[in-house]
Amino acid sequence: SAVISQKPSRDICQRGTSLTIQCQVDSQVTMMFWYRQQPGQSLTLIATANQGSEATYESGFVIDKFPISRPNLTFSTLTVSNMSPEDSSIYLCSAGTGTVYQETQYFGPGTRLLVL
Amino acid sequence: GENVEQHPSTLSVQEGDSAVIKCTYSDSASNYFPWYKQELGKRPQLIIDIRSNVGEKKDQRIAVTLNKTAKHFSLHITETQPEDSAVYFCAASNTGKLIFGQGTTLQVKP
Repeated sequence: SAVISQKPSRDICQRGTSLTIQCQVDSQVTMMFWYRQQPGQSLTLIATANQGSEATYESGFVIDKFPISRPNLTFSTLTVSNMSPEDSSIYLCSAGTGTVYQETQYFGPGTRLLVL
Repeated sequence: GENVEQHPSTLSVQEGDSAVIKCTYSDSASNYFPWYKQELGKRPQLIIDIRSNVGEKKDQRIAVTLNKTAKHFSLHITETQPEDSAVYFCAASNTGKLIFGQGTTLQVKP
């Protein structure tokens, strides 16, 4: 398994501002992902963070709103840009592990974001 | 793209009884099916997973079954305990990225 940490754990932000969330994995992993989980809801995949290339975004999510960096195999950031109250949610990163398929995902503790 | 449907949305059982949660998926290319348990305010935790070359997998009180033909898979929890109370999510994958079901809130009454 992988040990994953996120910073910050929570934040309260003003609309129109941006917040960058950091995700750190304790070992090198090929696959890292970012999810959003709205209160009482399931997890929705935002994007796959690719090391050395641009992130791959899911339908409904765009790079201008959620820019992602992946500078190495243990670290990624997600920025929530020009925030509105609708962006209030929990943001989780995950890392894919496994010797063959690397599809077994472990999650970070999440960043709880409230936008006023 | 892949779509995962999960039922029921809530499930209440008496301690010691069994609980079954079912998921169906749409993409026949999906080949990996994990289950996560999420307690309130905590991160999702992987509890069991199954790959498409296996029909059933057990880990103590937890088992998962997969029917590739019908494109559905189920989580079985036997001898439920109050600490099993949580939200359970199924997911499906064929490219490494996970598509989640809507979740099932399981309540185990002592």
